[in-house]
Amino acid sequence: KNEVEQSPQNLTAQEGEFITINCSYSVGISALHWLQQHPGGGIVSLFMLSSGKKKHGRLIATINIQEKHSSLHITASHPRDSAVYICAVYGPGGGADGLTFGKGTHLIIQP
Amino acid sequence: EPEVTQTPSHQVTQMGQEVILRCVPISNHLYFYWYRQILGQKVEFLVSFYNNEISEKSEIFDDQFSVERPDGSNFTLKIRSTKLEDSAMYFCASSEERTQYFGPGTRLLVL
Repeated sequence: KNEVEQSPQNLTAQEGEFITINCSYSVGISALHWLQQHPGGGIVSLFMLSSGKKKHGRLIATINIQEKHSSLHITASHPRDSAVYICAVYGPGGGADGLTFGKGTHLIIQP
Repeated sequence: EPEVTQTPSHQVTQMGQEVILRCVPISNHLYFYWYRQILGQKVEFLVSFYNNEISEKSEIFDDQFSVERPDGSNFTLKIRSTKLEDSAMYFCASSEERTQYFGPGTRLLVL
C-alpha cells in the first residue's frame, strides 16, 4: 500500500510569495495527480504527470520518479490561490487504478 | 467544457436506510470511480469500474456497497443499509485514459 505524505500540512504566506508544496510516496507509481479542493468541497484536477515538469499559468509541477517525490510551485501567489492542495498517486497498473491521496496542504494567501 | 455531475448535492437519511448516489460521467470516458471523504480526513478510494464491471475496490467497499451503470449515462453508488460512519462527501470521477475528472460531490449525512 502506498503511503503519500505531503508537507507542509498548513502554509500561510503573503500575496506575491513563491509557494512550494511537497509530496513523497513510498511505492513506485505510474503517475501522480495534483488536485485543488476549495472550501465548498469540489475537487479540481491541476496536473497529471508521470515524468519531468508541467506548467500551467502560475502553477508548475515537477516529479522525480526515482526519488519518489513531486513538488507543486505557485509563482506570484494570490489570495484566490487559497485552497487545499492534494497530491494523489496512481498505482503501477492502467487506467482503472484508484488514486491514493495525501492529506492535503492547507494554503492561505494573505493580501 | 464537459463535466462530471452528481445528484443530489446533499442527502440526509436515517441509519439503516438505503441510499443511491448518482453520477453522470463525461460522455466519452471509459473509467469511472467513487471516492469518499469523511469530514476532516483525506479522500479515500472506494471502487473503479470499467467495461461494465468492477476493476478494483478498496477494503472500505464491503457488501453494503454496490455500483451500477444502469444505462449509457448514469453511474450509481448504492449503500444498502447506511451506518452513522457512512456520513461523508462522496465524489464520482471519470477518465478517458488516465487523468481523472471529479464531480462536485454528494454530501451524505446519516442520522
